[in-house]
Amino acid sequence: DIVMTQSPDSLAVSLGERATINCESSQSVLSGSTNKNCLAWYQQKPRQPPKLLIYWASTRESGVPDRFSGSGSGTGFTLTISRLQAEDVAVYYCQQYCYAPHTFGQGTRLEIK
Amino acid sequence: EVQLVESGGGLVQPGGSLRLSCAASGIIFSDYGMSWVRQAPGKGLEWVSTMAGTGGFTNYADSVKGRFTISRDNSKNTLYLQMNSLRADDTALYYCAKTAGSSWALANWGQGTLVTVSS
Repeated sequence: DIVMTQSPDSLAVSLGERATINCESSQSVLSGSTNKNCLAWYQQKPRQPPKLLIYWASTRESGVPDRFSGSGSGTGFTLTISRLQAEDVAVYYCQQYCYAPHTFGQGTRLEIK
Repeated sequence: EVQLVESGGGLVQPGGSLRLSCAASGIIFSDYGMSWVRQAPGKGLEWVSTMAGTGGFTNYADSVKGRFTISRDNSKNTLYLQMNSLRADDTALYYCAKTAGSSWALANWGQGTLVTVSS
């Protein structure tokens, strides 16, 4: 199974500043058939289901603000929130969906400093 | 608007069974793969199972393989999860989720149904 490891486990950032969350996979999640990285990022606020932010490592889901961006390839990925807003307080998860089981990272809790 | 509504959760004794349902609306159901993801209280997300739109293939997490069965009825726009031989560590909020269509990322989620396994 592919193990997804996020860092840090928690993060406190000032409003308006940049937040960066990393996700590392134990093996490449580059799909040979699509030549795309099968990596998604989700945001989960308290008492809500997760929300898809990014898929194919860097494609923003419709309606997601452009302050959210994804990057990386192979085994290393990053979610960047360029100008943190109060409503961005949440737990963020990465997930690989190339290879079953479609494993999630353990989550990163983002708070306001 | 896509809507996914889960039902069927509840309290069950260890070794018991439950069947979860997920009713979908606002989509052509058979066009999309569907998944179940669970979240134990205070814990992270755990992918459970995925089924293709046509039901052609399925995958399961090792933790549920042989005990859980995913299925769908495209004529009823409904996804199911049959859970047998339930254990205490199956206690979780179970989410139904629809794939993005162009990928297996999970674009739409229900509110979840709570399964509690306890004597």
